[in-house]
Amino acid sequence: DVKVTQSSRYLVKRTGEKVFLECVQDMDHENMFWYRQDPGLGLRLIYFSYDVKMKEKGDIPEGYSVSREKKERFSLILESASTNQTSMYLCASNLPGQVQPQHFGDGTRLSIL
Amino acid sequence: GQNIDQPTEMTATEGAIVQINCTYQTSGFNGLFWYQQHAGEAPTFLSYNVLDGLEEKGRFSSFLSRSKGYSYLLLKELQMKDSASYLCAVLDSNYQLIWGAGTKLIIKP
Repeated sequence: DVKVTQSSRYLVKRTGEKVFLECVQDMDHENMFWYRQDPGLGLRLIYFSYDVKMKEKGDIPEGYSVSREKKERFSLILESASTNQTSMYLCASNLPGQVQPQHFGDGTRLSIL
Repeated sequence: GQNIDQPTEMTATEGAIVQINCTYQTSGFNGLFWYQQHAGEAPTFLSYNVLDGLEEKGRFSSFLSRSKGYSYLLLKELQMKDSASYLCAVLDSNYQLIWGAGTKLIIKP
């Protein structure tokens, strides 16, 4: 079974802090994704990556950056956290081929105070 | 713009059947996914439809009509563990996933 592990289930940070969210997958997937999930809204894509050291902006990249130094790890960085970035963050991965289902981690519930 | 519509919440009785609808307007279509998400957990893949018709997988079935921009997820013999949110997502012409807000399904004994 595919395992996507996010480093923290719950995280509380202060405005202006630099925040790192880590995601690791164990199935050698090329593709990795970061989403945020807010009540009443669908999953919104922040960034994605189809290979090591490669990154592409999603629908809402402002205020975020990512890093993919190794195939299994995809990090999301909030450069200077703001209260409107309080959300559930979900990481996902899949095999190449766009119709492959994505496998998700359990999410990180991030609160910015 | 691109849009996926699902009911926000539905309630059904244990042992019954429920149909969760999803309508979409997207720039192109390369398939539709259904995911299940229990509270506080990861979304998990249920089904993928790209051709019109019904796909059956045990107690769960998924239907697609591309001409109507419409899909539904049918859950039979409902169990308490089926209480969850059900997410509909469409692959558009650029193979980007467009997600609906999800339908929260509440099962009552």
